[in-house]
Amino acid sequence: SQTIHQWPATLVQPVGSPLSLECTVEGTSNPNLYWYRQAAGRGLQLLFYSVGIGQISSEVPQNLSASRPQDRQFILSSKKLLLSDSGFYLCAWSPSGGLFGYTFGSGTRLTVV
Amino acid sequence: DQQVKQNSPSLSVQEGRISILNCDYTNSMFDYFLWYKKYPAEGPTFLISISSIKDKNEDGRFTVFLNKSAKHLSLHIVPSQPGDSAVYFCAASHSGTYKYIFGTGTRLKVLA
Repeated sequence: SQTIHQWPATLVQPVGSPLSLECTVEGTSNPNLYWYRQAAGRGLQLLFYSVGIGQISSEVPQNLSASRPQDRQFILSSKKLLLSDSGFYLCAWSPSGGLFGYTFGSGTRLTVV
Repeated sequence: DQQVKQNSPSLSVQEGRISILNCDYTNSMFDYFLWYKKYPAEGPTFLISISSIKDKNEDGRFTVFLNKSAKHLSLHIVPSQPGDSAVYFCAASHSGTYKYIFGTGTRLKVLA
C-alpha cells in the first residue's frame, strides 16, 4: 500500500534562517506531488506541484522554493524565512495520469519567530 | 480570486441531526469535486467525491449534492456524531489540470 511521510512534525525557526521540509511517498511510482499551506484563518493554499522529477510548477510567488530530486521525494525550501512563512505545511500525492483525489501527509507546523 | 468558497466558517449541530456544509465555486470548467475532513495538527483525509456528470453521490452517512447551474455543492452528514467535529474542506478541479483548489473550510461542531 502507498504511504506518505512528512517531517518534521513541528519546527520553530528564527527569521532569516533557512528551511528544508521533506516529503517522501512509498508504494507507488511517478506520483504527482504537492505542497500546500494552511495559514491561520485561511484555507489550503497550493504552493507547488510536480508531475515528474525536476518538474516544478509554482502557484504563488513567495519566499519558498520546491525541488523534486527523486521520483518520490519532494522538498520545500527557503533561504531566509519570514514571519509570514509561519503556517501548517502539507505534502500530498496523487496517482499520475488522471484526476484523482489527494492523500495528504500529517503536516508540519512551522513557527517563524 | 477565491474560486472555491465556503461562506460559513463554522457550524454547530446537535448529535443525531443533519449537518449541511455548503461550497460555491466560480469556475465553470470545474468538473470534479472532493470533500476532506481535517482534525487539528493532522493532514486532511478524503471523505467523498463527485464528478460533474452526477448530481448526487452517497457513502454511508455522507452525501454530496452538486448543482452545476448554481455552481454549488453541499455535503450532508446524517446522523451527525460528535466524532464528526472537524474542519471540512471542499475542493474542485477540472480535467487537464493536476491540481485542486480548496475552499477556506467550515468548522463543524457536533454537540452531544
